[in-house]
Amino acid sequence: DAGVTQSPTHLIKTRGQHVTLRCSPISGHKSVSWYQQVLGQGPQFIFQYYEKEERGRGNFPDRFSARQFPNYSSELNVNALLLGDSALYLCASSSVAGVGRYNEQFFGPGTRLTVL
Amino acid sequence: QQQVKQSPQSLIVQKGGISIINCAYENTAFDYFPWYQQFPGKGPALLIAIRPDVSEKKEGRFTISFNKSAKQFSLHIMDSQPGDSATYFCANNLFFGTGTRLTVIP
Repeated sequence: DAGVTQSPTHLIKTRGQHVTLRCSPISGHKSVSWYQQVLGQGPQFIFQYYEKEERGRGNFPDRFSARQFPNYSSELNVNALLLGDSALYLCASSSVAGVGRYNEQFFGPGTRLTVL
Repeated sequence: QQQVKQSPQSLIVQKGGISIINCAYENTAFDYFPWYQQFPGKGPALLIAIRPDVSEKKEGRFTISFNKSAKQFSLHIMDSQPGDSATYFCANNLFFGTGTRLTVIP
């Protein structure tokens, strides 16, 4: 079975542009979470979606938005890109919403976004 | 958004030695304390996790010690191997620490 897949692998954008990142969860998983990992830092939680509904949101500006589709894949959108948005964007899938001892998160390899 | 503080930032250990990484958390509402291992170019992978009603959990060479009253937990890697060289993150539910880069010298 395929793990979590993300596309594209790498992306270069300029300030002010918009970007869309995509994630396909593990088959059977209904929850997707997005994280931002700046070089040398730990992943920072952005959003969690379950059954197409937002279940959690981290401390990120409204320029960041996401959605989940009926097949449970997800998109992360970032508008008006800033230099500080340069990071590795990680997607994680799990079988149910939230994270607990019965609900492990599986991470994809990430999308490396560079904003020039 | 920092809810989990992790130390040290980096750690160098001789092969066969013990690696110890410490974390302190703030939010007592969350009941899941995982440790993740991340290799360069890869996403984090769950290594071991503990729930707050247990003081210690061991899986192979990896042990989590949990101190609920102090709101602290730690990862011990026994008999550290060069293949353990990676970045380790503690987490409290969805919130991660800043990471520890472990280097195991042969």
